[in-house]
Amino acid sequence: GAGVSQSPSNKVTEKGKDVELRCDPISGHTALYWYRQSLGQGLEFLIYFQGNSAPDKSGLPSDRFSAERTGGSVSTLTIQRTQQEDSAVYLCASSPGLAGGNKYFGPGTRLTVT
Amino acid sequence: QQPVQSPQAVILREGEDAVINCSSSKALYSVHWYRQKHGEAPVFLMILLKGGEQMRHEKISASFNEKKQQSSLYLTASQLSYSGTYFCGTASNTGNQFYFGTGTSLTVIP
Repeated sequence: GAGVSQSPSNKVTEKGKDVELRCDPISGHTALYWYRQSLGQGLEFLIYFQGNSAPDKSGLPSDRFSAERTGGSVSTLTIQRTQQEDSAVYLCASSPGLAGGNKYFGPGTRLTVT
Repeated sequence: QQPVQSPQAVILREGEDAVINCSSSKALYSVHWYRQKHGEAPVFLMILLKGGEQMRHEKISASFNEKKQQSSLYLTASQLSYSGTYFCGTASNTGNQFYFGTGTSLTVIP
């Protein structure tokens, strides 16, 4: 596709349920990033993937959060036992080649935990 | 490791200039600048890799000081379309975490 795509665009879930957020990076981009942005706040770094290498998970806010990237392309961010404080927009970005290079962001998934 | 931006917010009249600063207590690996409009995803503006480097994107330019601890974004003759929140971004010294600054809200009014 032409850009980074994310699904779903909106997700409303009940507290305690698990959710999966999906990111399709730009074809050929080796680096993939997940960020979280609460209403009116900045961008909180969650995790970074480079190709098929194992990611550094230390940025994930709790052990309820996990992420994987299959085949060096599509990534899934999973939040288990969701809490109200997990409500935010989850943004995925990808970049070509060199890690940290210019990031192309997807439209985000707005997660609301009720 | 999150860089600090200043000012937090600025309001300009169309045609005025503004400077946004991004500072870190440690040397930055690189600096990226992004602009985010309300309800939209951030959009990349430019990247600076070397101390002393300057870059330009249309009428917006940026510098990266020699010690690589501060970057400034210069908006010249601001346009209404410049309104948004500006973020600087950088990498950790381990190269596997990528942070954004605290953000600067810029509003350009007619």
